[in-house]
Amino acid sequence: LAKTTQPISMDSYEGQEVNITCSHNNIATNDYITWYQQFPSQGPRFIIQGYKTKVTNEVASLFIPADRKSSTLSLPRVSLSDTAVYYCLVGDPNNAGNMLTFGGGTRLMVKP
Amino acid sequence: GAGVSQSPSNKVTEKGKDVELRCDPISGHTALYWYRQSLGQGLEFLIYFQGNSAPDKSGLPSDRFSAERTGGSVSTLTIQRTQQEDSAVYLCASSLVFVQALKTSSYEQYFGPGTRLTVT
Repeated sequence: LAKTTQPISMDSYEGQEVNITCSHNNIATNDYITWYQQFPSQGPRFIIQGYKTKVTNEVASLFIPADRKSSTLSLPRVSLSDTAVYYCLVGDPNNAGNMLTFGGGTRLMVKP
Repeated sequence: GAGVSQSPSNKVTEKGKDVELRCDPISGHTALYWYRQSLGQGLEFLIYFQGNSAPDKSGLPSDRFSAERTGGSVSTLTIQRTQQEDSAVYLCASSLVFVQALKTSSYEQYFGPGTRLTVT
């Protein structure tokens, strides 16, 4: 399984754009990159998923360079409610047992 | 439709007792996952099911832990002779397999609210 490395924590202010980068140097050809968000006392919630280049949805954007050895989750104009832990996962979704390693995540604190 | 449900939401038990945690996945989801999360920590994978089969049980912390899934739906995680270090939130998730998820253009795990287990 591809190992991921993320910053332990980040601070930001309301209205700013936040970029969280995840390193996954040994990503495999069939692996996808998925990000989850977890609020206190809740289970993680899917944010976005991608394979290459750029993916955008109503919540975030995901930037993946050509070598796919890293990815960046971009949260536009964060608010206090975006304070959460963000997890990066890498794995082959064709194998249910391959998307299991959540790691420690990045604890984002948004300040007023 | 209903999401993943787990019961009980909270469980306090005495050291040495057995506990059983239940997970009801989203209907039609063939994959089911169990995780454990200690206070302030990340998620620790325990076991997953593809249908009723658990291909890899190596993530279970000890032989006091077991899990089963019947009928491709409900799953139970059983902890025998509980210890204080078993105290954590136990999270269950379910998902489609990718070929099913192609219709929605994404593959994701849907998590339940968790069961908070406290062993005294």
